[in-house]
Amino acid sequence: GESVGLHLPTLSVQEGDNSIINCAYSNSASDYFIWYKQESGKGPQFIIDIRSNMDKRQGQRVTVLLNKTVKHLSLQIAATQPGDSAVYFCAESTVNDYKLSFGAGTTVTVRA
Amino acid sequence: GAGVSQSPRYKVAKRGQDVALRCDPISGHVSLFWYQQALGQGPEFLTYFQNEAQLDKSGLPSDRFFAERPEGSVSTLKIQRTQQEDSAVYLCASSVRLASTGELFFGEGSRLTVL
Repeated sequence: GESVGLHLPTLSVQEGDNSIINCAYSNSASDYFIWYKQESGKGPQFIIDIRSNMDKRQGQRVTVLLNKTVKHLSLQIAATQPGDSAVYFCAESTVNDYKLSFGAGTTVTVRA
Repeated sequence: GAGVSQSPRYKVAKRGQDVALRCDPISGHVSLFWYQQALGQGPEFLTYFQNEAQLDKSGLPSDRFFAERPEGSVSTLKIQRTQQEDSAVYLCASSVRLASTGELFFGEGSRLTVL
């Protein structure tokens, strides 16, 4: 499943398929980006981060892609599992700053 | 404890009441943040502490909001004369680092409902 356009509030994906969550960021000065996962009733949980000197970074089952030209960030989840159902937020900052600016989030629902 | 602990988890207040929300960060974490999360929205920055020093309170919505971290560990967010628009989840996060670079550990939040 893939969110169409730069951002959609919801994404439904079949279990086992790959998910792609998109995010557009606004501040061209931002040089540090993070993806968080938030399950219902819980706080955001760090997934993966990337600095602006990179355009791709991989973790366990997740890949973050950064396109600074169009100020676009994406999170790819391989072999999506039911436990991946959550709201996913991208956040931007600068390396030497302490504030994170969060996007509105994308709700991912995994169909069995 | 193993993670960031917040209390109470749920708080219902009548408009005009004062509330206090507590955050126990991970032991040894220098940085502590408070964020406000309205329903269906992403968290928004409220304030930042480095040890006991409040270095930034620019995100506090009004002078009814006050935060402290007197001994550089536990922090309290106080809201005076609560209004309905204060209804939100208040998230506390801590980090071993001085800046946001790297992993922030969030608590589960305190959900405030103002009637």
